[in-house]
Amino acid sequence: KNQVEQSPQSLIILEGKNCTLQCNYTVSPFSNLRWYKQDTGRGPVSLTIMTFSENTKSNGRYTATLDADTKQSSLHITASQLSDSASYICVVSGGGNLFFGTGTRLTVIP
Amino acid sequence: DAGVIQSPRHEVTEMGQEVTLRCKPISGHDYLFWYRQTMMRGLELLIYFNNNVPIDDSGMPEDRFSAKMPNASFSTLKIQPSEPRDSAVYFCASSWGRFGNEQFFGPGTRLTVL
Repeated sequence: KNQVEQSPQSLIILEGKNCTLQCNYTVSPFSNLRWYKQDTGRGPVSLTIMTFSENTKSNGRYTATLDADTKQSSLHITASQLSDSASYICVVSGGGNLFFGTGTRLTVIP
Repeated sequence: DAGVIQSPRHEVTEMGQEVTLRCKPISGHDYLFWYRQTMMRGLELLIYFNNNVPIDDSGMPEDRFSAKMPNASFSTLKIQPSEPRDSAVYFCASSWGRFGNEQFFGPGTRLTVL
């Protein structure tokens, strides 16, 4: 069964600290994996997209990694800011379909 | 471009009423997607169009849901009759290309069915 699982469900960190969000998937065949950031009351915004051959991709303080062998991806946030408080959603594309994780709710506190 | 535009932003209606949600995609995009988001189920893809033609509506929950795209700049999602379990945030997104390219989401319509 094609699934996308994210962990943790929620996370609270202090401003300035780093954190890592996890996405494990069982989707096959695999086309790409995308991380979205969703601020409260807004639509998701794409942070990164990774294909099978890509191991790491950065977007400012956001760095995504992909291990296609173990079917795991992580999103690392460096030097967190209050504006990083949001939900982060992992979406995997494969076989002509999209599969969504339920997201990680990140709260950054001063 | 102003991005994807959705209306209304909020809709409160009573069970049994017809609800119509509207979307204007980004000009030049050839794919349009309708999503539903709830706390319990997260984001769900309901239906998507390519060049105004519905391609996959397997995510539409029931016959009460229907979507149209009469032209490249307008789409509607209709629920008739509405039920309390339809309460959710409905997003429209558009992209150039299907799943390989970035989808740009609208601000969503928060629907509450009493």
